[in-house]
Amino acid sequence: QKEVEQNSGPLSVPEGAIASLNCTYSDRGSQSFFWYRQYSGKSPELIMFIYSNGDKEDGRFTAQLNKASQYVSLLIRDSQPSDSATYLCAVTGGATNKLIFGTGTLLAVQP
Amino acid sequence: DADVTQTPRNRITKTGKRIMLECSQTKGHDRMYWYRQDPGLGLRLIYYSFDVKDINKGEISDGYSVSRQAQAKFSLSLESAIPNQTALYFCATSDGTSLIFGPGTRLTVT
Repeated sequence: QKEVEQNSGPLSVPEGAIASLNCTYSDRGSQSFFWYRQYSGKSPELIMFIYSNGDKEDGRFTAQLNKASQYVSLLIRDSQPSDSATYLCAVTGGATNKLIFGTGTLLAVQP
Repeated sequence: DADVTQTPRNRITKTGKRIMLECSQTKGHDRMYWYRQDPGLGLRLIYYSFDVKDINKGEISDGYSVSRQAQAKFSLSLESAIPNQTALYFCATSDGTSLIFGPGTRLTVT
């Protein structure tokens, strides 16, 4: 089992819809959870992070964390074509205290 | 100026050659990292450094070495490049929370 798992996609959504990106992790001791966006050929950039169970909202983005289910998600409201990118989930704070990345989900927002 | 710069941005080299990738940051952070990214494998940590005198191996350090010349500079060396080291290499810096990545170096070993 991979330490951080994401569906590789592509996840295709129409413009204006809600995109839901999911991530599961194996280390129950993980404490910090990050979402990065990576455009093709570019470097990852931080969208948001979450430490506590529940929801955290930042503009059109909402991160949701459920530690009991070892599940973190990213919702993108009113999706735009410019949101088309690969979204990387990253988790840290477990047994190794290393930041572990998932392989990413490719999101395609159709105009 | 960019927070994290990497040189070169692209490099093609031959098997057995020594190559150095350089990274500089202007954020004043103590922590610096080297990752490689391969299709389907995601980002994997090669080496990291929490200050000038602290160097640590990541999950895939074999075949690589690093040097932390100053707080702002962290270089990655491939002593004898091999084709399976063909990848996109990212340097990153951190204040202990999130990572700020450089633009990446695309390395091809033929």
